[in-house]
Amino acid sequence: ETGVTQSPTHLIKTRGQQVTLRCSSQSGHNTVSWYQQALGQGPQFIFQYYREEENGRGNFPPRFSGLQFPNYSSELNVNALELDDSALYLCASSHIDRNYGYTFGSGTRLTVV
Amino acid sequence: AQTVTQSQPEMSVQEAETVTLSCTYDTSESDYYLFWYKQPPSRQMILVIRQEAYKQQNATENRFSVNFQKAAKSFSLKISDSQLGDAAMYFCAYRSAFNNNDMRFGAGTRLTVKP
Repeated sequence: ETGVTQSPTHLIKTRGQQVTLRCSSQSGHNTVSWYQQALGQGPQFIFQYYREEENGRGNFPPRFSGLQFPNYSSELNVNALELDDSALYLCASSHIDRNYGYTFGSGTRLTVV
Repeated sequence: AQTVTQSQPEMSVQEAETVTLSCTYDTSESDYYLFWYKQPPSRQMILVIRQEAYKQQNATENRFSVNFQKAAKSFSLKISDSQLGDAAMYFCAYRSAFNNNDMRFGAGTRLTVKP
């Protein structure tokens, strides 16, 4: 059983640029959730994808967008990067009908300069 | 909206001793799930223990157990026989049973284990 993998592990971008982060979900899972974790804080929910559609969204602006593919992998896109977007971005997968909690990846550390 | 509060930013425990991490939450829902996650320096969030709100019995996983007080909206984690490998950030999390697309996390407690 494969776990959740994220790429890249680290990324440095300039303010105003766009970034795409990638996530492969755990085998047997059909939802992918994305979280932003600022330094010293708990993860904040960005959005979840199920059946290739957004299935709930936290308090993040529209410049945060995503995709889910037929193989349940996912992308997080952030446009017009701001300095405050610097954070650890965590991807988590789960099965919509099960309540065993999420399986997380190791995250992508994004630094915006 | 549901909120999760961890009032202890840092805790310290001697190896082989017991430590309890606190968590309170606010919700108007009757059915939900509570979780404790561990985040070591490797950054990956690892599920430690899970509690279903409709179950009165406290969950236990080896050295980890919880004290779930539904009326008080309290969900503490007890780590017995602490080991050096237990050192990490610990996050308490809440998820509604009716809406499983939003897991809310507390701000975390950094646990240090002294040899």
